[in-house]
Amino acid sequence: DAGITQSPRHKVTETGTPVTLRCHQTENHRYMYWYRQDPGHGLRLIHYSYGVKDTDKGEVSDGYSVSRSKTEDFLLTLESATSSQTSVYFCAISESWRNYGYTFGSGTRLTVV
Amino acid sequence: AQSVTQLDSHVSVSEGTPVLLRCNYSSSYSPSLFWYVQHPNKGLQLLLKYTSAATLVKGINGFEAEFKKSETSFHLTKPSAHMSDAAEYFCVVSDRAGNQFYFGTGTSLTVIP
Repeated sequence: DAGITQSPRHKVTETGTPVTLRCHQTENHRYMYWYRQDPGHGLRLIHYSYGVKDTDKGEVSDGYSVSRSKTEDFLLTLESATSSQTSVYFCAISESWRNYGYTFGSGTRLTVV
Repeated sequence: AQSVTQLDSHVSVSEGTPVLLRCNYSSSYSPSLFWYVQHPNKGLQLLLKYTSAATLVKGINGFEAEFKKSETSFHLTKPSAHMSDAAEYFCVVSDRAGNQFYFGTGTSLTVIP
């Protein structure tokens, strides 16, 4: 997990509150991704970024927004958390996916009560 | 559309015996394929990747995988299982642009002493 840090590692929040997860990288990689991991679903892409201020939706983007104002930071916001968003969230980075694939962070375990 | 199917949700082997984790993919083009491993409460680590070079790909920790276009398969193998191989394994295919990766639902490998 060297070069990529997620914060917080664990969070419990109440339904209806906003939550922001942070992904920070020191690799200067162009691409950054947010995934969620749920039993029986593997990992599913929420949003990704291909540069500062350049982002796009993944397959499960409803209820989530992202921002990338600096190369090193990629923020994931749950605007109004719901119990269905209880999950483990992984950030990933890549410079050249074709050559290297992803490097993943250690994950954030989010519980919405 | 791209997708991967991991044919076994759980595989159990004895230490020292061969490992076979099966993955079939669906893609309308020649894909890039990856295997990742996730140890308990950890992030995901790249095991190996296929990106249209040699069809037999060698990865870390003695794992290898063979790309078989005629069978649309990318099975992961290891000649002799070690206790430290117990983990969750994910087969992954990229989209054509390389912007999104699609994960299988995972195979949990148990190694019996």
